[in-house]
Amino acid sequence: RKEVEQDPGPFNVPEGATVAFNCTYSNSASQSFFWYRQDCRKEPKLLMSVYSSGNEDGRFTAQLNRASQYISLLIRDSKLSDSATYLCVVNNDMRFGAGTRLTVKP
Amino acid sequence: EAGVAQSPRYKIIEKRQSVAFWCNPISGHATLYWYQQILGQGPKLLIQFQNNGVVDDSQLPKDRFSAERLKGVDSTLKIQPAKLEDSAVYLCASRFRGPEQYFGPGTRLTVT
Repeated sequence: RKEVEQDPGPFNVPEGATVAFNCTYSNSASQSFFWYRQDCRKEPKLLMSVYSSGNEDGRFTAQLNRASQYISLLIRDSKLSDSATYLCVVNNDMRFGAGTRLTVKP
Repeated sequence: EAGVAQSPRYKIIEKRQSVAFWCNPISGHATLYWYQQILGQGPKLLIQFQNNGVVDDSQLPKDRFSAERLKGVDSTLKIQPAKLEDSAVYLCASRFRGPEQYFGPGTRLTVT
C-alpha cells in the first residue's frame, strides 16, 4: 500500500458545482497534513493546512478523519480558475500523493 | 521578496551523461528540499537539508544521485550517470519555520 493515495482523476465538473477529493494515508502516526495546488507545468503552491478540527478558507474546506486515516478537500461553487491538480501532503517528511486533476468547465 | 531560484530551467542530455542542477532558496530559509516529479505523478522527496546537514535522504538513489549544500544556502543536485527513467522535473523548495514550502520553477530534464 502506498503511503499516500488520492482519488483517481480526472474530475470534470461544471462551474458552480461542489466537488470533493479524498486522500488516504497509511502511517497512523502522521501528524501534519496539507493540500497543495499545482497548475499545469507550474510548481506546487500551498492551498491550505488541514487541522484536526477541520478548517475552512472561503470556498475551500479541509477535514481530517484520523479513525479512517484520510483527509478531504471540498470545493464549493467551483470556478474555472480552480482547474488544477490538487496534491495532498502527509507529515513533516513531505510525502506527496499523486494528485487529483480537476477541470471546471463553463 | 525573491522566490526560490533554480537553473537551468531545461536540460536535455543523453543517457550515461552527467548533469547538475542548482537551487538558491529564499533568504533565511534553513530547510531545503529536492523533489523529483515524473509526469503524471506527485513530487517525490529526494533529499531534505536543514542548513548544511542532511535530514532525510532515504529516497535518494545514492548510486547515481548526490546533493550538497555546503554553506547552508545554495544547493546542487547531481546525477551521474543519467538513465532514461531520470527524465522528470526536479523541484527545489525551501521552508522557514511554518509548514509552507516555497517551490522554485523546477528544472525539466530529458534524458535521451
